[in-house]
Amino acid sequence: GENVEQHPSTLSVQEGDSAVIKCTYSDSASNYFPWYKQELGKGPQLIIDIRSNVGEKKDQRIAVTLNKTAKHFSLHITETQPEDSAVYFCAAGSSGGYQKVTFGTGTKLQVIP
Amino acid sequence: GAGVSQSPSNKVTEKGKDVELRCDPISGHTALYWYRQRLGQGLEFLIYFQGNSAPDKSGLPSDRFSAERTGESVSTLTIQRTQQEDSAVYLCASSPGAGRKNEQFFGPGTRLTVL
Repeated sequence: GENVEQHPSTLSVQEGDSAVIKCTYSDSASNYFPWYKQELGKGPQLIIDIRSNVGEKKDQRIAVTLNKTAKHFSLHITETQPEDSAVYFCAAGSSGGYQKVTFGTGTKLQVIP
Repeated sequence: GAGVSQSPSNKVTEKGKDVELRCDPISGHTALYWYRQRLGQGLEFLIYFQGNSAPDKSGLPSDRFSAERTGESVSTLTIQRTQQEDSAVYLCASSPGAGRKNEQFFGPGTRLTVL
């Protein structure tokens, strides 16, 4: 089955700096890579996703890059703000009929004002 | 509109007791997932329902765990003879279903504490 590794497990940045979270996956058949943000006491919420037919996707201050050859993908947050503080999870899976994805172990991001 | 709801929000039980956790998915979502999240850890897949297809139970950790779903509505996760290692937050998510957007919409979770 799919195995997703995520680094770092914790990340502290100054407000306004950039944050980068990296993930690797094992199953070359995976073609769907979502990122979820989990705030304290809440369920995860999708913030951005990318499919294997593109190498990069941006949405305002967040971007995701994908390298299918190396089987890794990354989340980039620019101009970080205190409200970006949360736990971020990457995931990998198939966008076809069965939508099961495998989640990484999470990165706790702290943005220091 | 209403999101995914879960009940109870917190459950404290004694070792050996049975517990039942409930999930109400978003109306019209055919896919439903259960995950377990231990303190400070990632999401561990438990079970997946898709419409009338047989569920994928491959993530259930033992035969003490079971789940049911009535059609495309409510789901219940049952843990029998609870153990202390069952303590975790149990998250439910729903999704529009196969062939459509993959986004999973999560509920707030049920925090289970086994004493």
